[in-house]
Amino acid sequence: AQSVTQLGSHVSVSEGALVLLRCNYSSSVPPYLFWYVQYPNQGLQLLLKYTSAATLVKGINGFEAEFKKSETSFHLTKPSAHMSDAAEYFCAVSANDYKLSFGAGTTVTVRA
Amino acid sequence: NAGVTQTPKFQVLKTGQSMTLQCAQDMNHNSMYWYRQDPGMGLRLIYYSASEGTTDKGEVPNGYNVSRLNKREFSLRLESAAPSQTSVYFCASEETGGRDGYTFGSGTRLTVV
Repeated sequence: AQSVTQLGSHVSVSEGALVLLRCNYSSSVPPYLFWYVQYPNQGLQLLLKYTSAATLVKGINGFEAEFKKSETSFHLTKPSAHMSDAAEYFCAVSANDYKLSFGAGTTVTVRA
Repeated sequence: NAGVTQTPKFQVLKTGQSMTLQCAQDMNHNSMYWYRQDPGMGLRLIYYSASEGTTDKGEVPNGYNVSRLNKREFSLRLESAAPSQTSVYFCASEETGGRDGYTFGSGTRLTVV
């Protein structure tokens, strides 16, 4: 069975500052890892995914994430926050068994 | 390109009523999923269909049934709605099982009173 823990339910950053969202996972097999973004009253949109190729994964909107097996982590970063980054972010893990397990989500607020 | 289409977008039910949430995808994906989203709990899998003709229970299947009508459509039925089923329901699809990342619909906001 796999599970995901997202550290921090709310993160507030200034516009132009670094965005760092933390995700730790547990999986009994090599995992597939994902980050999704959800804007208010919308569905989830895939930001990026790790599927056992490069450990540093680049996604849309300037986000990237690094897979660290030794730390069982897949943290999401963006060097410079923009007002449009205000949203809820979800980390998810799959053991290649069709089912994604999602973290509880982190809401990002961007201050002008 | 429509992607994943869910209907209805909003629904209010009385306790004990039944309803079916509809989902259709136009990407020729094999796998389809139903999740519910509740505040502070992320998304939890209700049922999924790995391929046309198959369905399996997820993490929270009690009180729900599903039908994979064909490759495009996957419906979720509440036979006797309860207030605990007040939630936002998302349908998703994927080409292969858990490797590619899902495409989500825009959700159905259900309130049971």
